[in-house]
Amino acid sequence: AQRVTQPEKLLSVFKGAPVELKCNYSYSGSPELFWYVQYSRQRLQLLLRHISRESIKGFTADLNKGETSFHLKKPFAQEEDSAMYYCALSGPGNQFYFGTGTSLTVIP
Amino acid sequence: NAGVTQTPKFRVLKTGQSMTLLCAQDMNHEYMYWYRQDPGMGLRLIHYSVGEGTTAKGEVPDGYNVSRLKKQNFLLGLESAAPSQTSVYFCASAAISDTQYFGPGTRLTVL
Repeated sequence: AQRVTQPEKLLSVFKGAPVELKCNYSYSGSPELFWYVQYSRQRLQLLLRHISRESIKGFTADLNKGETSFHLKKPFAQEEDSAMYYCALSGPGNQFYFGTGTSLTVIP
Repeated sequence: NAGVTQTPKFRVLKTGQSMTLLCAQDMNHEYMYWYRQDPGMGLRLIHYSVGEGTTAKGEVPDGYNVSRLKKQNFLLGLESAAPSQTSVYFCASAAISDTQYFGPGTRLTVL
């Protein structure tokens, strides 16, 4: 069965420090993975997807099939990065499976 | 393009009342979804649709019904609201093999 796990519900880092939000998945096929971000009282929006291999707002994520992980990283956190982050997997029939989310707080 | 819109933005219901949430998208997307977002539980899929006239159950479908009579609209109905349905509801749409685009959400409180 498809599943996405985000082990950290809350994560706090100081401004300028590196940040890593963890995401592990289980999927029998070839996964398509995404990170979504939700700023306070706003709608979810796509941050990045693994097939595009791009860096958005300084964030990157590498798909590690051996460890079944898709961790989100940024070398220097900014206050505006404070938000809720969701890892998601796209499965058959374009059905999406979301993790429970990680709330990131960047301390000034 | 308005993208994905949801109506209403807020609603308070009494237990047993019914209501319909409307989701509309102007991107000609085939897929549409309804999620609920609860603290500590992330986003859970209620129902989804892979095209006009089709619907399918997601992870938490009980107590909800949906209809997709027109490609651009996806309706979520609560026939007899319960306090456990207090939540924030998000609609999303997607093209085939593409990412999802989300609406702004509907905050529903059931007393």
